[in-house]
Amino acid sequence: SQQGEEDPQALSIQEGENATMNCSYKTSINNLQWYRQNSGRGLVHLILIRSNEREKHSGRLRVTLDTSKKSSSLLITASRAADTASYFCATRNTGANSKLTFGKGITLSVRP
Amino acid sequence: DVKVTQSSRYLVKRTGEKVFLECVQDMDHENMFWYRQDPGLGLRLIYFSYDVKMKEKGDIPEGYSVSREKKERFSLILESASTNQTSMYLCASSLSIQETQYFGPGTRLLVL
Repeated sequence: SQQGEEDPQALSIQEGENATMNCSYKTSINNLQWYRQNSGRGLVHLILIRSNEREKHSGRLRVTLDTSKKSSSLLITASRAADTASYFCATRNTGANSKLTFGKGITLSVRP
Repeated sequence: DVKVTQSSRYLVKRTGEKVFLECVQDMDHENMFWYRQDPGLGLRLIYFSYDVKMKEKGDIPEGYSVSREKKERFSLILESASTNQTSMYLCASSLSIQETQYFGPGTRLLVL
């Protein structure tokens, strides 16, 4: 069952530009996580934001969460060619044993 | 650093064969997960385990079984492989079921 839905599906930008990716979800969450996947590899965890947090930073990454709109955004500043990858949001619903539910992903291409 | 390893990066099997995919984590994590990833469908949870010998069905358990005899090892079994099980299989582990998941590199399985 799909919970998080990313937008856009694909994004192509020039090196040095900022990349903004969005995620919307339907039901109440405990936390929302962003992951990155390089082509043909496993996923790497980027950042976790809890439902009582509004913004988090990690290096060139900035994540915001708006629980009233049930949406999150991931901003990558000063993008590099090495940022080219697929990005997934994953939501953890409220509930003791709720699973992590992944969206379908956004393909980001950063042109050198 | 957490390390999650999977027994094979690429695997080619014939229809009807029994297939074992092995996953090992080295961080004493309680929880382990098996996902499959298909284009346009994102990651879908097959099975997960929150303790040795414990297992829970995910969203798409049909055609699969799992085994967790030791804490560090979680095996996915395809009892009789079919062509629609051709996919990328990803294993993950986490300390808490609520928190970050750490992924292995993935096994790309082709069933002929």
